[in-house]
Amino acid sequence: EDQVTQSPEALRLQEGESSSLNCSYTVSGLRGLFWYRQDPGKGPEFLFTLYSAGEEKEKERLKATLTKKESFLHITAPKPEDSATYLCAVQATGGFKTIFGAGTRLFVKA
Amino acid sequence: GAGVSQSPSNKVTEKGKDVELRCDPISGHTALYWYRQSLGQGLEFLIYFQGNSAPDKSGLPSDRFSAERTGGSVSTLTIQRTQQEDSAVYLCASSLNAPTGGNIQYFGAGTRLSVL
Repeated sequence: EDQVTQSPEALRLQEGESSSLNCSYTVSGLRGLFWYRQDPGKGPEFLFTLYSAGEEKEKERLKATLTKKESFLHITAPKPEDSATYLCAVQATGGFKTIFGAGTRLFVKA
Repeated sequence: GAGVSQSPSNKVTEKGKDVELRCDPISGHTALYWYRQSLGQGLEFLIYFQGNSAPDKSGLPSDRFSAERTGGSVSTLTIQRTQQEDSAVYLCASSLNAPTGGNIQYFGAGTRLSVL
């Protein structure tokens, strides 16, 4: 069964304190791995798609990486506006059903 | 252009009543997803529609839940005989599901359902 596990559940950082969020996944064959950001009271907003092990993508202070078993979302010198829940999701080959992890709630204090 | 629109934004109902939640996807998007998000939790897949293909209903938690998509556009999620455990935010997303590769989903703001 396809599965996504995110850690930690919550992460508190000081502004400028870099860190990483983990997404471990089990899937029969990977079509794509996704990172989304969700602010309170809103729907998730797309950040990145990764397709194969070794791939990396960057956007501002965020960098996503992918191995055959896990993905990391690295946050460099975070700012308070980076505070949100970060969701990881996978799609398996053979369909478009999407499985989400429970998310990591990130708090960045000024 | 317009994003994914969901209505109502909030719905309060009594246990045992039926409810209908509506989703208007982005024009031209062939795929439409429904998810349920309980407080402080991730998204639980419910169902998705892909073009004219039969929907993948594998995530529907019981036969009280059903969904339809008319004319390849608007979708309605129906919950019959609501229970208190159905209280959650119901999110809809649409996507241009290309034949290969992963596909970005664009989400609505959700419908917050409260069953008293």
